[in-house]
Parts: sequence; C-alpha cells; structure tokens
Amino acid sequence: DQQVKQNSPSLSVQEGRISILNCDYTNSMFDYFLWYKKYPAEGPTFLISISSIKDKNEDGRFTVFLNKSAKHLSLHIVPSQPGDSAVYFCAATLNGATNKLIFGTGTLLAVQP
Amino acid sequence: KAGVTQTPRYLIKTRGQQVTLSCSPISGHRSVSWYQQTPGQGLQFLFEYFSETQRNKGNFPGRFSGRQFSNSRSEMNVSTLELGDSALYLCASSLDGSRGYTFGSGTRLTVV
Repeated sequence: DQQVKQNSPSLSVQEGRISILNCDYTNSMFDYFLWYKKYPAEGPTFLISISSIKDKNEDGRFTVFLNKSAKHLSLHIVPSQPGDSAVYFCAATLNGATNKLIFGTGTLLAVQP
Repeated sequence: KAGVTQTPRYLIKTRGQQVTLSCSPISGHRSVSWYQQTPGQGLQFLFEYFSETQRNKGNFPGRFSGRQFSNSRSEMNVSTLELGDSALYLCASSLDGSRGYTFGSGTRLTVV
C-alpha cells in the first residue's frame, strides 16, 4: 500500500522556467512532509520541508505548497537550472514516528539548457 | 565534518548467501536508519536504531536484521539472499531521530 504517491515518473522543463513536482498522500495522520533530491550514485539530499500546520514554505528557488484537504503537496523550483536535474522524492512522517520516513517513488526531473 | 559512510559501495552475492553492510554515522548522531531502494518502489524503510536499540521496523521479512554498536556505527545483515534483494541500501543518520536525516551514498547489492 503506497501511502505517498508521485504519479509522474518524469518531467522535462526548459532552463529558466518553473518546475512543478507533485505528490499525493493517503494518510491524514501525516504531520510533516519533506522533499529530497537524489543524483545517481549518491544518497538523497534534504531540500525543503513543511509542517502540516502550514500551507507554504519557501527557501530560495524552492517552495513547497501543502493542500491538506486534497492530501496533495507540490514542490516549485523557480527558475529551473540544469543542475536541478535529478530524481526528487517526497516523504512524510507520522507524529510519534519521526524516525521513519515514508517515501514516494520519485520523479526524474530533466532541465534542458 | 565527515558525512555518513557506507561500506562497501558495491557488492555481488549469490542466492542463498548472506551479506553484512556497514554504516558509520555523522559524529555525534545517535540515530541510524536503513532504507532499501528498488526501481518502481522508491525508498522503503527497513529499521531504525537509537542508542543500540531498535525503535522502529518496516515491513520486511526476518531475513533482514540489523544492530547498532556503542559508537553508533550500524550494520545490516541479510540472510539467505534472494534475487529480489538486489537493491541500493541506504543508511541515514540524525542526532536523535527527529527527521533531520543525512543519507550516505549507499551500498549497491546485486544478487545473482
């Protein structure tokens, strides 16, 4: 049972444009959401996170939006750069089980120069 | 400061064998978690250790086990290897298990 879903396996965007990566979840008890970026042959790197009590968090070119009623979150990257090309994973945690990240299957972002 | 170190980076084993993977966390981090990444499945949580105690476990068979030593280093063991165990195994550490995890580069296990 996939509790965190990333329905787009891949996304291609032109350099300088906006990249929007989407993530849906089924468990309403999730209280914290995170985005990780992964290059080949490396471990995932933390990008940005959001608590379930907020609907937006921004860090430089990266903004995460959370829509609790729709159980949906998205990561916006503006402007996109070729170095952003990687696999992006969203993850969630349950209150009381913060040591267990529940990941989506990932979206491969390709930013074309 | 040094990151999370996983050894070996690559491993090839035969079905039925057992394997042990090692993880050295960031200095001062007491929580170590293990994840399995396979194509199409994303990263799946195996277990988490804190101060040598397993605090949380994912939905994996008993062939997957782990332990943590007093210096916070952790090992993961898989016995009676199956072809489906071929995956990237990632270790992550944090100070206390409260979400701020740093991942290692992983061990790529191939079972033939």
